Amino acid sequence: QSVLTQPPSVSGAPGQRVTISCTGSGSNIGADYDVHWYQQLPGAAPKLLMFGVNNRPSGVPDRFSGSKSGTSASLAITGLQTEDEADYYCQCYDSSLGGFFVFGTGTTVTVL
Amino acid sequence: QMQLVQSGAEMKKTGSSVKVSCKSYGYNPSYRYLHWVRQAPGQALEWMGWIAPYNGNTNYAQKFQDRVTISRDRSMTTAYMELSSLRFEDTAMYFCARGSGSQSDSFDIWGQGTMVTVSS
Repeated sequence: QSVLTQPPSVSGAPGQRVTISCTGSGSNIGADYDVHWYQQLPGAAPKLLMFGVNNRPSGVPDRFSGSKSGTSASLAITGLQTEDEADYYCQCYDSSLGGFFVFGTGTTVTVL
Repeated sequence: QMQLVQSGAEMKKTGSSVKVSCKSYGYNPSYRYLHWVRQAPGQALEWMGWIAPYNGNTNYAQKFQDRVTISRDRSMTTAYMELSSLRFEDTAMYFCARGSGSQSDSFDIWGQGTMVTVSS
């Protein structure tokens, strides 16, 4: 049972901007632990998309950006493309229960 | 090329155990933590635990504390995840992923996944 809540789905037309929220609590995002984002294409392993809130690994287009405020984080995709159709997960460390890593509930992005 | 390569799919009976391997290539694995993450069909990712290859220290999610063992070989290039007392709900894809060893860990390299199917 995840402690990071994401909307189940978001959608947008090609070229539009969509955002995915990730809501946590004072023991994870609110405790100032880094938030990371992963993209998972159908049938594939997850891929690191964003680390440390708003840092992109090499090869990730700058259409993707991240932000964090309080106990929530967000991933924005601008100039939405068909290849962006995938599941997206946020991830953070949680200091409760002795400390553990946690993923969000996941969001499916659909390009209309 | 840095990569993690996992062992093949497994079919197991309820109550038995499964051991999945994850071999690292293209980097020095000594000081890069190795995490295990699973994903049941149609469900979200779920963190299971990590191992520090250089000293074998481990940390497990409370949910799996009593059933999971993460280990590594002497060369530190291969990590293992063993899950015991398998239940139907353990049917999932199991991934290994590389971390850096801090509370700010992100997982920058992933294995291809190992499907474990549990039946009666």
